[in-house]
Amino acid sequence: QQQVKQSPQSLIVQKGGISIINCAYENTAFDYFPWYQQFPGKGPALLIAIRPDVSEKKEGRFTISFNKSAKQFSLHIMDSQPGDSATYFCAASESSGDKLTFGTGTRLAVRP
Amino acid sequence: DAGITQSPRYKITETGRQVTLMCHQTWSHSYMFWYRQDLGHGLRLIYYSAAADITDKGEVPDGYVVSRSKTENFPLTLESATRSQTSVYFCASRRGPTNTEAFFGQGTRLTVV
Repeated sequence: QQQVKQSPQSLIVQKGGISIINCAYENTAFDYFPWYQQFPGKGPALLIAIRPDVSEKKEGRFTISFNKSAKQFSLHIMDSQPGDSATYFCAASESSGDKLTFGTGTRLAVRP
Repeated sequence: DAGITQSPRYKITETGRQVTLMCHQTWSHSYMFWYRQDLGHGLRLIYYSAAADITDKGEVPDGYVVSRSKTENFPLTLESATRSQTSVYFCASRRGPTNTEAFFGQGTRLTVV
């Protein structure tokens, strides 16, 4: 039973384009939604996170959009760069809980 | 160096052998985690620990054993390795509940032949 569904599995974007990765969750108790970025040969690292009291959070070129009623959230990478090529994981949890539930990951390739 | 370190980085073992993956963190974080990463499955939680001497099962605990006698160490043991346990294993630590950042190690690539 997958509690966080992530799509697409892979994504190819031209330099300067917008990359969009989508996630959907089922557990309405989830109230913390982070995104992790993983470069080849490295462990994942926190990129950006959002709570459901806001519909959008922006940090530089990275934006999380959150739709509580639809139980969906997405990561938008504006002006995508080759250095953004990585695997991106969405995750969800109860903020006072112990465990993060991760999506299956999206491998992003940004072409020069 | 400060941080979270895993050893070994690469390991090849035979089916049926016992193998232990090590994880050490220098931040005195309360929480530590073991995940396995497989294509199509993302990161799946094997075991986690909220404090020394407290461990709990995650999503895929079968075939694995953990212990946490010291806050800084969280070894993962495969009691009798199987080919299905071929994977990349990540250890992570976190200061508090899930709304604090988790820090991951570099991973251990384990191959069971």
